[in-house]
Amino acid sequence: QVQLVESGGGVVQPGRSLRLSCAASGFPFSSYGIHWVRQAPGKGLEWVAFISYDGSRVHYADSVKGRFTISRDNSRNTVDFQMNNLRVADTAVYFCAKDPPGGGYAGDYWGQGTLVTVSS
Amino acid sequence: DIQMTQSPSSLSASVGDRVTITCRASQDIIKYLAWFQQKPGKPPKSLIYGANILQTGVPSRFGGSGSVTEFNLTISSLQPDDFASYYCQQYSAYPLTFGPGTKVDV
Repeated sequence: QVQLVESGGGVVQPGRSLRLSCAASGFPFSSYGIHWVRQAPGKGLEWVAFISYDGSRVHYADSVKGRFTISRDNSRNTVDFQMNNLRVADTAVYFCAKDPPGGGYAGDYWGQGTLVTVSS
Repeated sequence: DIQMTQSPSSLSASVGDRVTITCRASQDIIKYLAWFQQKPGKPPKSLIYGANILQTGVPSRFGGSGSVTEFNLTISSLQPDDFASYYCQQYSAYPLTFGPGTKVDV
């Protein structure tokens, strides 16, 4: 069955960096794009980034553009999310989600999420 | 960016009720609209995509309708497992955007 497992969350000071990872299994990973979606405590969902199946296309929300970088390693079935210059407003649970067949919405399957807390 | 709104922001209902949630887009998104259900402490669950296509395994009491800028999610007979928050998402253009959510409680 499809499984997505996020890791790398934790507590970090403003201005510092953190690297999240999404490990996938149960589907042909190299054929599907992956999204990152976040949810601040008690708030709604915010899409933040996408990487295509082969890494040739990436998209970012304006709120993270220039600070966060999404990448993938199809040999290890993982997507990484490098977050630099973190802000208090980046505090959230970060979910990775699989792009559906044919592409489009985020997503047909989701991981359980990893919590990132940015605080001094 | 395409802005999404939802109404109501919350509603109280009883088991067996018919519930309708409306989602509006700030511009034409054709039918590139998905609906998600989320329970506290859990990831979102995909319910509907393409405005009206039920995700595999989702009960038939859930239904989606609409096009262009106005969309509805209808639960024909609310069940105890349906008390949750519901979000719409447009995927007509990047950045993908979600509505603010609708909380359905007792």
